Amino acid sequence: GESVGLHLPTLSVQEGDNSIINCAYSNSASDYFIWYKQESGKGPQFIIDIRSNMDKRQGQRVTVLLNKTVKHLSLQIAATQPGDSAVYFCAENFATGGGNKLTFGTGTQLKVEL
Amino acid sequence: DTGVSQDPRHKITKRGQNVTFRCDPISEHNRLYWYRQTLGQGPEFLTYFQNEAQLEKSRLLSDRFSAERPKGSFSTLEIQRTEQGDSAMYLCASSPSTGLETQYFGPGTRLLVL
Repeated sequence: GESVGLHLPTLSVQEGDNSIINCAYSNSASDYFIWYKQESGKGPQFIIDIRSNMDKRQGQRVTVLLNKTVKHLSLQIAATQPGDSAVYFCAENFATGGGNKLTFGTGTQLKVEL
Repeated sequence: DTGVSQDPRHKITKRGQNVTFRCDPISEHNRLYWYRQTLGQGPEFLTYFQNEAQLEKSRLLSDRFSAERPKGSFSTLEIQRTEQGDSAMYLCASSPSTGLETQYFGPGTRLLVL
């Protein structure tokens, strides 16, 4: 199938290592942030979200960190597995301002090496 | 499967033809969104509905594009007089209408205009 990750930044990690994917967002008024995983030929799949009144949120094997001072978001994946290989997008939303559209970042291609 | 569904998954058409895509959201979700994604980029917002009302449209949505959600359930996106630049993945997402809610995406419709 076609490559979602064409021309995207790439992060290569060994299976079992931890992965950290970074994202800079644009709107200081954004109050809701989501990480999505997208495999080739598929739609984005929800991974984890965080609201602006938090700076850290943990899920199963994933952690999202939010630094509003520098408008930076990161996704940490513990014990990365081959099935984690995909393109990862962060998305921001100014939801309480009445907006409903998500603004997506550039995306990072994660490659897990065996 | 109770996720967002889209039809068709793939569409090849000749320049100048009209095409129509369908999206069926998650059944209890009031909000429905359309995004467009080109290779190597994140999804870009096109338009969104709250029930049957179209509440926001992007500047990307030229007058050749029209979206409807007549009964507040499924939605259609029509592109008239297609151009090669319309070639992209068209993604539909849905969410509940309460507060900061995650948008869940369908698998997308891949359009190729020859």
